[in-house]
Amino acid sequence: EVQLVESGGGLVQPGGSLRLSCAASGFTVSNNYMTWIRQAPGKGLEWVSTLYSSGNTYYADSVKGRFTISRDNSKNTLFLQMHSLRAEDTAVYYCARGNCSGSSCNPADYWGQGALVTVSS
Amino acid sequence: QSALTQPRSVSGSPRQPVTISCTGTSSDVGFYDYVSWYQQHPGKAPKLMIYDVSKRPSEIPDRFSGSKSGNTASLTISGLQAEDEADYYCCSYAGSYTWIFGGGTKLTVL
Repeated sequence: EVQLVESGGGLVQPGGSLRLSCAASGFTVSNNYMTWIRQAPGKGLEWVSTLYSSGNTYYADSVKGRFTISRDNSKNTLFLQMHSLRAEDTAVYYCARGNCSGSSCNPADYWGQGALVTVSS
Repeated sequence: QSALTQPRSVSGSPRQPVTISCTGTSSDVGFYDYVSWYQQHPGKAPKLMIYDVSKRPSEIPDRFSGSKSGNTASLTISGLQAEDEADYYCCSYAGSYTWIFGGGTKLTVL
């Protein structure tokens, strides 16, 4: 059974840093397309970043240069390192496994339960 | 890059059909057949309902269907049930390895 469990959320001051973790089970992170998607309180979903199995990474313009997606193959875990946090980064951050192969692609077929990040002084 | 456009709310009676639209541009919805739909109940994580415009994961009931015409994708639920009341989001590949979501639609079952 595919499971994704996020951790590391919390309250951080503007300009601060935080690292989210996403522990995966039931599949191998390094063999899959992994995504972070966030949802500000009462708002819609926003794609944040993708890590391909190849190791290539991509980011939304809103987080480029501040956030870094990575993985630890030995721990089968995905990370999102966030720096220079702003109030507008306040959101529930979801880790998701995507599925892109051949002529089929979607960024998130399995989702974690989410981790709340609050940026406030 | 603006979000895809969805109606803020739709409603329907049990056993009746309802359609949610998702309008993008010729650079996303209109160009790629990588449109997906997600259902989100309050306080829960989203759930994949439709991918690649019209494909359904095996566990999703066949009363959920997807389609696309030009720059607009649609999710149709035939035979509404009470448990279908939720928020629905569309998502499209937007090129350059990026994705764009719709603003979300609140579905109310009357």
